[in-house]
Amino acid sequence: QSVLSQPPSASATPGQRVTISCSGSGSNIGSNFVYWYQQLPGTAPKLLIYRNTERPSGVPDRFSGSKSGSSASLAISGLRSEDEADYYCSVWDDSLGGLWMFGGGTKLTVL
Amino acid sequence: QITLKESGPTLVKPTQTLTLTCTFSGFSLSTSGVGVGWLRQSPGKAPEWLALIYWDGDKRYRSSLKSRLTITKDTSKNQVVLTMTNMDPVDTATYYCAHSIRGPRCSGSPCYYFDYWGQGTLVTVSS
Repeated sequence: QSVLSQPPSASATPGQRVTISCSGSGSNIGSNFVYWYQQLPGTAPKLLIYRNTERPSGVPDRFSGSKSGSSASLAISGLRSEDEADYYCSVWDDSLGGLWMFGGGTKLTVL
Repeated sequence: QITLKESGPTLVKPTQTLTLTCTFSGFSLSTSGVGVGWLRQSPGKAPEWLALIYWDGDKRYRSSLKSRLTITKDTSKNQVVLTMTNMDPVDTATYYCAHSIRGPRCSGSPCYYFDYWGQGTLVTVSS
Protein backbone atom coordinates (compact mmCIF):
# COMPACT_ATOMS: atom_id res chain seq x y z
CA GLN A 1 0.00 0.00 0.00
CA SER A 2 1.49 3.31 -1.16
CA VAL A 3 1.97 6.35 1.07
CA LEU A 4 0.42 8.33 -1.78
CA SER A 5 -3.20 7.36 -2.30
CA GLN A 6 -4.76 7.32 -5.74
CA PRO A 7 -8.09 5.81 -6.82
CA PRO A 8 -7.28 2.52 -8.55
CA SER A 9 -9.53 3.29 -11.49
CA ALA A 10 -11.37 6.06 -13.28
CA SER A 11 -13.48 6.15 -16.42
CA ALA A 12 -15.19 8.65 -18.68
CA THR A 13 -16.42 8.97 -22.23
CA PRO A 14 -14.60 10.80 -25.03
CA GLY A 15 -14.82 14.56 -24.73
CA GLN A 16 -15.51 14.52 -21.01
CA ARG A 17 -13.30 15.83 -18.23
CA VAL A 18 -11.83 13.49 -15.64
CA THR A 19 -9.90 14.22 -12.47
CA ILE A 20 -7.46 11.91 -10.71
CA SER A 21 -6.57 12.64 -7.11
CA CYS A 22 -3.40 11.96 -5.14
CA SER A 23 -3.49 12.23 -1.36
CA GLY A 24 -0.36 12.41 0.75
CA SER A 25 0.92 14.07 3.89
CA GLY A 26 2.96 16.96 5.15
CA SER A 27 6.25 15.16 4.57
CA ASN A 28 5.61 14.72 0.87
CA ILE A 29 2.90 16.61 -1.03
CA GLY A 30 2.54 19.13 1.78
CA SER A 31 6.11 20.34 1.39
CA ASN A 32 7.38 19.34 -2.07
CA PHE A 33 6.52 19.53 -5.74
CA VAL A 34 4.19 16.94 -7.30
CA TYR A 35 4.82 15.22 -10.62
CA TRP A 36 2.46 13.21 -12.79
CA TYR A 37 3.36 10.42 -15.20
CA GLN A 38 1.37 8.68 -17.92
CA GLN A 39 2.16 5.07 -18.73
CA LEU A 40 0.70 3.56 -21.84
CA PRO A 41 0.57 -0.25 -21.96
CA GLY A 42 3.98 -1.79 -22.46
CA THR A 43 5.86 1.50 -22.37
CA ALA A 44 7.92 3.49 -19.89
CA PRO A 45 6.31 6.24 -17.80
CA LYS A 46 6.19 9.63 -19.49
CA LEU A 47 6.37 12.90 -17.59
CA LEU A 48 3.06 14.71 -17.91
CA ILE A 49 3.17 17.43 -15.23
CA TYR A 50 6.12 18.77 -13.26
CA ARG A 51 6.37 21.16 -10.31
CA ASN A 52 2.65 20.81 -9.56
CA THR A 53 1.28 22.59 -12.61
CA GLU A 54 3.88 22.81 -15.39
CA ARG A 55 3.60 20.90 -18.66
CA PRO A 56 6.69 19.68 -20.54
CA SER A 57 6.97 20.70 -24.14
CA GLY A 58 4.71 18.56 -26.29
CA VAL A 59 2.16 17.72 -23.60
CA PRO A 60 -1.27 19.02 -24.67
CA ASP A 61 -2.93 21.68 -22.56
CA ARG A 62 -5.80 19.25 -22.03
CA PHE A 63 -3.67 17.98 -19.15
CA SER A 64 -3.41 20.15 -16.05
CA GLY A 65 -2.18 19.71 -12.51
CA SER A 66 -3.06 21.34 -9.22
CA LYS A 67 -2.08 21.07 -5.59
CA SER A 68 -3.71 22.10 -2.34
CA GLY A 69 -2.25 21.29 1.03
CA SER A 70 -1.33 17.61 1.10
CA SER A 71 -3.35 16.65 -1.96
CA ALA A 72 -2.88 17.04 -5.68
CA SER A 73 -4.97 16.42 -8.76
CA LEU A 74 -4.51 15.72 -12.43
CA ALA A 75 -7.28 16.85 -14.74
CA ILE A 76 -7.74 15.72 -18.31
CA SER A 77 -10.26 17.59 -20.41
CA GLY A 78 -11.55 16.72 -23.86
CA LEU A 79 -10.82 13.07 -23.16
CA ARG A 80 -9.52 11.03 -26.09
CA SER A 81 -9.21 7.29 -26.58
CA GLU A 82 -5.42 7.56 -26.59
CA ASP A 83 -5.54 8.90 -23.03
CA GLU A 84 -6.39 5.40 -21.80
CA ALA A 85 -3.40 4.60 -19.61
CA ASP A 86 -2.12 4.31 -16.08
CA TYR A 87 -1.42 7.59 -14.29
CA TYR A 88 0.95 7.97 -11.37
CA CYS A 89 1.62 10.86 -9.04
CA SER A 90 5.13 11.20 -7.65
CA VAL A 91 6.74 13.37 -5.00
CA TRP A 92 9.83 13.55 -2.82
CA ASP A 93 9.16 12.42 0.73
CA ASP A 94 11.25 13.94 3.48
CA SER A 95 10.84 10.96 5.83
CA LEU A 96 12.78 7.70 5.87
CA GLY A 97 15.96 9.50 4.88
CA GLY A 98 14.30 11.03 1.86
CA LEU A 99 13.09 9.24 -1.23
CA TRP A 100 11.02 9.66 -4.37
CA MET A 101 7.55 8.15 -3.87
CA PHE A 102 4.96 7.06 -6.39
CA GLY A 103 1.26 6.70 -5.90
CA GLY A 104 -0.34 3.32 -6.51
CA GLY A 105 -1.56 4.44 -9.91
CA THR A 106 -4.94 5.06 -11.51
CA LYS A 107 -6.07 3.07 -14.52
CA LEU A 108 -8.03 5.40 -16.77
CA THR A 109 -10.54 3.79 -19.09
CA VAL A 110 -12.06 5.75 -21.95
CA LEU A 111 -15.48 4.24 -22.46
CA GLN B 1 17.47 14.73 -27.92
CA ILE B 2 17.86 12.86 -24.65
CA THR B 3 17.78 9.08 -24.83
CA LEU B 4 18.65 6.37 -22.34
CA LYS B 5 18.89 2.63 -22.73
CA GLU B 6 19.28 -0.08 -20.13
CA SER B 7 21.27 -3.24 -20.68
CA GLY B 8 22.06 -6.28 -18.61
CA PRO B 9 20.97 -9.85 -17.94
CA THR B 10 17.35 -10.82 -18.36
CA LEU B 11 17.63 -13.72 -15.93
CA VAL B 12 19.53 -13.98 -12.68
CA LYS B 13 19.53 -16.66 -10.02
CA PRO B 14 18.60 -16.02 -6.39
CA THR B 15 21.54 -14.72 -4.30
CA GLN B 16 23.38 -13.53 -7.43
CA THR B 17 24.40 -9.94 -8.06
CA LEU B 18 22.64 -7.96 -10.78
CA THR B 19 24.62 -5.45 -12.81
CA LEU B 20 22.73 -3.06 -15.09
CA THR B 21 24.20 -0.44 -17.38
CA CYS B 22 22.45 2.71 -18.53
CA THR B 23 23.91 4.21 -21.70
CA PHE B 24 22.67 7.67 -22.48
CA SER B 25 23.02 10.44 -25.05
CA GLY B 26 21.87 14.00 -25.48
CA PHE B 27 23.24 15.28 -22.17
CA SER B 28 26.35 15.23 -20.01
CA LEU B 29 26.39 13.92 -16.47
CA SER B 30 29.01 16.52 -15.63
CA THR B 31 26.53 19.35 -16.17
CA SER B 32 25.37 21.06 -12.98
CA GLY B 33 21.86 20.09 -11.91
CA VAL B 34 21.73 16.81 -13.80
CA GLY B 35 21.41 13.28 -12.46
CA VAL B 36 20.63 9.75 -13.58
CA GLY B 37 18.40 7.52 -11.52
CA TRP B 38 17.33 3.92 -11.47
CA LEU B 39 13.76 2.84 -10.86
CA ARG B 40 11.96 -0.47 -11.15
CA GLN B 41 8.42 -1.59 -11.66
CA SER B 42 7.08 -5.00 -10.74
CA PRO B 43 4.28 -6.32 -12.95
CA GLY B 44 1.04 -4.50 -12.19
CA LYS B 45 2.66 -2.25 -9.59
CA ALA B 46 3.74 1.36 -9.36
CA PRO B 47 7.30 2.42 -10.13
CA GLU B 48 9.74 2.31 -7.23
CA TRP B 49 12.79 4.56 -7.05
CA LEU B 50 16.08 2.79 -6.24
CA ALA B 51 19.04 5.14 -6.59
CA LEU B 52 20.26 8.36 -8.13
CA ILE B 53 23.69 9.74 -8.92
CA TYR B 54 24.19 13.46 -9.33
CA TRP B 55 26.43 15.43 -11.69
CA ASP B 56 28.86 16.10 -8.83
CA GLY B 57 29.18 12.41 -7.88
CA ASP B 58 26.85 12.58 -4.90
CA LYS B 59 24.57 9.57 -4.54
CA ARG B 60 21.20 8.78 -3.02
CA TYR B 61 19.76 5.34 -2.28
CA ARG B 62 16.40 4.03 -1.23
CA SER B 63 17.00 3.46 2.46
CA SER B 64 15.34 0.04 2.56
CA LEU B 65 17.67 -1.24 -0.19
CA LYS B 66 20.77 0.79 0.55
CA SER B 67 22.84 -2.15 1.76
CA ARG B 68 22.31 -3.96 -1.56
CA LEU B 69 22.72 -1.10 -4.06
CA THR B 70 25.69 0.63 -5.63
CA ILE B 71 25.43 3.28 -8.33
CA THR B 72 28.43 4.58 -10.26
CA LYS B 73 29.00 6.76 -13.29
CA ASP B 74 31.50 6.90 -16.12
CA THR B 75 31.10 10.38 -17.55
CA SER B 76 33.49 9.75 -20.43
CA LYS B 77 31.43 6.77 -21.60
CA ASN B 78 28.03 8.36 -20.85
CA GLN B 79 27.14 5.41 -18.68
CA VAL B 80 25.69 4.79 -15.24
CA VAL B 81 25.91 1.36 -13.63
CA LEU B 82 23.68 -0.08 -10.92
CA THR B 83 24.58 -3.19 -8.99
CA MET B 84 22.15 -4.98 -6.70
CA THR B 85 23.40 -7.82 -4.56
CA ASN B 86 21.65 -10.88 -3.16
CA MET B 87 18.85 -10.93 -5.73
CA ASP B 88 15.56 -12.54 -4.76
CA PRO B 89 12.48 -13.51 -6.78
CA VAL B 90 10.67 -10.47 -5.34
CA ASP B 91 13.20 -8.32 -7.23
CA THR B 92 11.72 -9.49 -10.52
CA ALA B 93 10.75 -6.28 -12.31
CA THR B 94 11.34 -4.01 -15.25
CA TYR B 95 14.30 -1.81 -14.39
CA TYR B 96 14.44 1.72 -15.81
CA CYS B 97 17.11 4.35 -15.84
CA ALA B 98 15.98 7.96 -16.11
CA HIS B 99 17.44 11.41 -16.66
CA SER B 100 16.90 13.68 -13.70
CA ILE B 101 16.94 17.45 -13.74
CA ARG B 102 16.92 20.03 -11.00
CA GLY B 103 14.16 22.58 -11.20
CA PRO B 104 15.02 26.30 -11.40
CA ARG B 105 15.68 28.37 -8.30
CA CYS B 106 15.79 25.26 -6.19
CA SER B 107 18.44 23.19 -4.48
CA GLY B 108 18.62 19.77 -2.91
CA SER B 109 17.20 16.37 -3.72
CA PRO B 110 13.50 17.39 -3.60
CA CYS B 111 14.15 19.68 -6.55
CA TYR B 112 15.15 16.87 -8.91
CA TYR B 113 12.65 14.96 -11.00
CA PHE B 114 12.71 12.30 -13.73
CA ASP B 115 11.87 13.73 -17.12
CA TYR B 116 13.20 11.15 -19.58
CA TRP B 117 13.06 7.41 -19.06
CA GLY B 118 14.69 4.54 -20.88
CA GLN B 119 12.59 1.80 -22.39
CA GLY B 120 13.30 -0.48 -19.45
CA THR B 121 14.70 -3.98 -19.19
CA LEU B 122 12.85 -6.91 -17.64
CA VAL B 123 14.89 -8.81 -15.08
CA THR B 124 13.57 -12.13 -13.84
CA VAL B 125 14.98 -13.71 -10.71
CA SER B 126 14.55 -17.46 -10.75
CA SER B 127 16.57 -20.59 -10.19
